[in-house]
Amino acid sequence: EIVLTQSPGTLSLSPGERATLSCRASQNVRSSNFAWYQQKPGQAPRLLIYGASSRATGIPDRFSGSGSGTDFTLTITGLEPEDFAVYYCQQHGSSPPMYTFGQGTKVEIK
Amino acid sequence: QVQLVQSGAEVKKPGSSVKVSCKASGGSFNNFAITWVRQAPGQGPEWMGRVIPILDTAYYAQKFQGRVTFTADKSTNTAYMDLSSLRSEDTAIYYCARDMVGLLDFWGQGTLVTVSS
Repeated sequence: EIVLTQSPGTLSLSPGERATLSCRASQNVRSSNFAWYQQKPGQAPRLLIYGASSRATGIPDRFSGSGSGTDFTLTITGLEPEDFAVYYCQQHGSSPPMYTFGQGTKVEIK
Repeated sequence: QVQLVQSGAEVKKPGSSVKVSCKASGGSFNNFAITWVRQAPGQGPEWMGRVIPILDTAYYAQKFQGRVTFTADKSTNTAYMDLSSLRSEDTAIYYCARDMVGLLDFWGQGTLVTVSS
């Protein structure tokens, strides 16, 4: 099973600052099988980035994803008040189906 | 736009079973899979498995094999998750999500299942 490790656990930043979130996989992950989600309290996760770098429908362009192999990054350029949330990385395999999530990075207001 | 609406919160005794429903609107079950994910208090999401309604095929995470069953009623666009032999560690919010080849792009609102004696 592929394990995803996110860092840091918590990121304390001010609105307008840049956030850089990391996700490291225990084995190589296909970029096409890698995604990022945002979750706010009391809500379901929301798909932000798929294919490691493609924004999902309706996601602002201040969110960007990059990386390949075992190292992936989510960058939020110019934090807005609504961006303070928990972010999860996720990968999936197809044969057999197996999905794993990271443990999350909380982006909080400094 | 696909909407997934789940059944309401449940309180169950240890050893019993729970069945959670997930009704899809705005899209046909013929075109996608449904993945089930749970999230224990303060924890990250955990994948339980997925069902492909058009194929009547389900895949289960090894951790839940033998204890969970996914079904889907294509006539009502409703998916079901049945979890048995409940224990306190199963207390969590259970989500269904539309699964487009691994992308979970629409989610239900979640169903809180509390297991307590």
